[in-house]
Amino acid sequence: GDSVTQMEGPVTLSEEAFLTINCTYTATGYPSLFWYVQYPGEGLQLLLKATKADDKGSNKGFEATYRKETTSFHLEKGSVQVSDSAVYFCALSRPLQGAQKLVFGQGTRLTINP
Amino acid sequence: EAGVTQSPTHLIKTRGQQATLRCSPISGHTSVYWYQQALGLGLQFLLWYDEGEERNRGNFPPRFSGRQFPNYSSELNVNALELEDSALYLCASSLAGGSVRPNTEAFFGQGTRLTVV
Repeated sequence: GDSVTQMEGPVTLSEEAFLTINCTYTATGYPSLFWYVQYPGEGLQLLLKATKADDKGSNKGFEATYRKETTSFHLEKGSVQVSDSAVYFCALSRPLQGAQKLVFGQGTRLTINP
Repeated sequence: EAGVTQSPTHLIKTRGQQATLRCSPISGHTSVYWYQQALGLGLQFLLWYDEGEERNRGNFPPRFSGRQFPNYSSELNVNALELEDSALYLCASSLAGGSVRPNTEAFFGQGTRLTVV
């Protein structure tokens, strides 16, 4: 079945550091790929998405590229801020099987220190 | 525009009791999804409703059930509660998807934290 594996946390960085959170997936066909963020005490928010190979999703300085050859969708940000502290989830969906039925990775807790 | 709303925000139940969680989707959304976020287990897909029908369910026992009402709001019922049912239950809504809108986005509520003691 479909699965998502992401970098285990927690990850702790200093402000302005470069961030990479690795995500790889297993799925047949061409899933859509997502990064969701969960700030403390809140629900999930969509951070960015990519729906086909070589697409780059970007938002709030974060970006991720859909790499079909390596089945990866790594999240990157060039200079993190304290406000980026949250839990990040990589996810996939196979839209034709049911809209946004999402398969999530385990989540990576990110803490940014000032 | 109001987002996805869930109630209650917190719920404490005793083992063996039943819990009912509610979700109101964004206006115009017909699909509702339920996910369980248990400690250490990540987010697991529970149920998907669209146009009042159950379209898919995850790998959960039958004591997890739900329904969707004509106004597209939804209830999740958990019977015979067990301690391991303690989790954050997230609801999400989207426009109808599938072949009609294959890349439509799901929007999440803030969740109901269920504690079973």
